[in-house]
Order: sequence, then structure tokens, then C-alpha cells
Amino acid sequence: NAGVTQTPKFQVLKTGQSMTLQCAQDMNHEYMSWYRQDPGMGLRLIHYSVGAGITDQGEVPNGYNVSRSTTEDFPLRLLSAAPSQTSVYFCASSYSNREFYGYTFGSGTRLTVV
Amino acid sequence: SQQGEEDPQALSIQEGENATMNCSYKTSINNLQWYRQNSGRGLVHLILIRSNEREKHSGRLRVTLDTSKKSSSLLITASRAADTASYFCATDAGDYKLSFGAGTTVTVRA
Repeated sequence: NAGVTQTPKFQVLKTGQSMTLQCAQDMNHEYMSWYRQDPGMGLRLIHYSVGAGITDQGEVPNGYNVSRSTTEDFPLRLLSAAPSQTSVYFCASSYSNREFYGYTFGSGTRLTVV
Repeated sequence: SQQGEEDPQALSIQEGENATMNCSYKTSINNLQWYRQNSGRGLVHLILIRSNEREKHSGRLRVTLDTSKKSSSLLITASRAADTASYFCATDAGDYKLSFGAGTTVTVRA
């Protein structure tokens, strides 16, 4: 049981480049989400999905796209990377019945935009 | 904007002592969760307390929730070096948007 797997673990991009951060979970969780973590701050929600084919925006969605074609995968796409997107990105998943279950987080992707 | 705020921002204690950190939030919640993050790692879920619960225990962890004051506390008893980490509270208002505070950094000295 791998839990939540994020790839890559590290990435350096040039300003203007695009890339996709991958997230996969094998727990059959309905809910998946992407957060970014910046120094001295908590996690901020970028986008989330409550099931395949359903996505919605979080607190800081600008510059990012998501799609959810399967229950297992929830990729995050950076359209045109900017230095302000330098951050650590975490993917998390949970059962839809969140009254009893916490979130399972991946180990993160550390992104640097130069 | 962030819903929860932890206090203190940093805490240094001796091994074997208890560590207490607090979380305040602004709006009504369904549940409140605490997470631990070791340096350079992802977050690990520690405990979840629902809005109709006042206290919950898990091993050396004790969480309280006061919905009238919109606050929660996390107590770690008999701390160990392995408890050195950042601790985050997160609130779930039932809208699928788990909202995190900025965290408390705990250092346990041997």
C-alpha cells in the first residue's frame, strides 16, 4: 500500500516553462487536493476534487490547472511558471466521509522557478 | 485566507516534559485536525476531533476543543526527541477546503 505518491520530488524550471506535477493514490479515496507550502506559512489550497470528473478552485488557483479523469490520479499543471510559484507542493487525499478520517499527504514536490 | 492560527510559533522543551500548543480559528467547523511535519517531509495526520466532541486522546496526545471560544489545544505528554517537528492545526468547515494554520515548531532537547 503506497498511499499518496508524488513525482517528481525536485524540479527546477525556467520562467515561462510549463510542467505537470503528478499525484497518485491507491486507497480509493474520493477526495484529492493540492496545497502549496511557503516558508513561515501554513498550507494553502490550490485546487481540489471530490471525485472523477469534478474539480474546483481553492484559495490560490491562479496559474494552475487540474483534471481528474480517474479516481487514482490528480495531476497539477503549471501553465507558465513564474518565480512566485517557487514552493513545496503537497498532494493529499481522503475519504469523502471526512467526519472520521484525516487526510493522507504525499511527500511533496520541491519546485524552484528561476 | 488561513482559518487557524497556532500559538506559540515556536516551543523548546526538555525531553520528558509536556508540550502544549494552541489553535484559534474564525468560523464554524465540522471538525479540527492536527498534523505533524518532520523537516523536509509531508504532513502526517495525528488526530481528528469533531465539533460535538470536547476532548480526545491518542497515545501521548490529548486534544481539546472549545467551539464557544473557537479554540483547540494539543498536548504532547512525556516528550521525546522524535517529537521534534512542526505541528499544524487544520479546520474542516464541511466545504472540502481544509484550512491550515502557520504551525508551531517544537524542539525537544535531550
